[in-house]
Amino acid sequence: AAGVIQSPRHLIKEKRETATLKCYPIPRHDTVYWYQQGPGQDPQFLISFYEKMQSDKGSIPDRFSAQQFSDYHSELNMSSLELGDSALYFCASSIGSTSYNSPLHFGNGTRLTVT
Amino acid sequence: DQQVKQNSPSLSVQEGRISILNCDYTNSMFDYFLWYKKYPAEGPTFLISISSIKDKNEDGRFTVFLNKSAKHLSLHIVPSQPGDSAVYFCAASFLGSQGNLIFGKGTKLSVKP
Repeated sequence: AAGVIQSPRHLIKEKRETATLKCYPIPRHDTVYWYQQGPGQDPQFLISFYEKMQSDKGSIPDRFSAQQFSDYHSELNMSSLELGDSALYFCASSIGSTSYNSPLHFGNGTRLTVT
Repeated sequence: DQQVKQNSPSLSVQEGRISILNCDYTNSMFDYFLWYKKYPAEGPTFLISISSIKDKNEDGRFTVFLNKSAKHLSLHIVPSQPGDSAVYFCAASFLGSQGNLIFGKGTKLSVKP
């Protein structure tokens, strides 16, 4: 079965550069979520979108922004990168933002390294 | 402060026996709980969930128990298989913010043949 696709799998950037992470949800999933997992940490919720509108916001820095496009894919834009942004970034998708019957399905993540 | 706690960083079990993974939470407003399994270099994979109106949910070899008064849930895997070896994350969420999962730090399960 089709899963959540994230690209790239690995990304190396220097401090103060920008990065764009992409997420393609499972077909017919209309909600996407972004999580950040630092080394040895649990995943932390950043932001989510339902039907192309921001639906919830977590601990996303002001330097980051995200959007969901008409084909439901999402992009996380990160500017003025800092060393502390080095982490694994997961995207997840589900059907409907208010349905408990639709758990989040995660992609395999993008590993961002800031040097 | 960690709202979802998995106090055992690791657990080792013999193949065929029961694995019990525990999770405690502090916020009584949580009303939906999930277990995810994670292999290295992969994203978390959904296993099983339970809403706060239930105290048990079963799916094949996996059963989740919820004790709201104790703010405790557990995942039972019976029988355990070597392929179950992974890191297991407990997660919780609130009504109206179902995508904002609060994760525990995970328990690494090793099932030995």
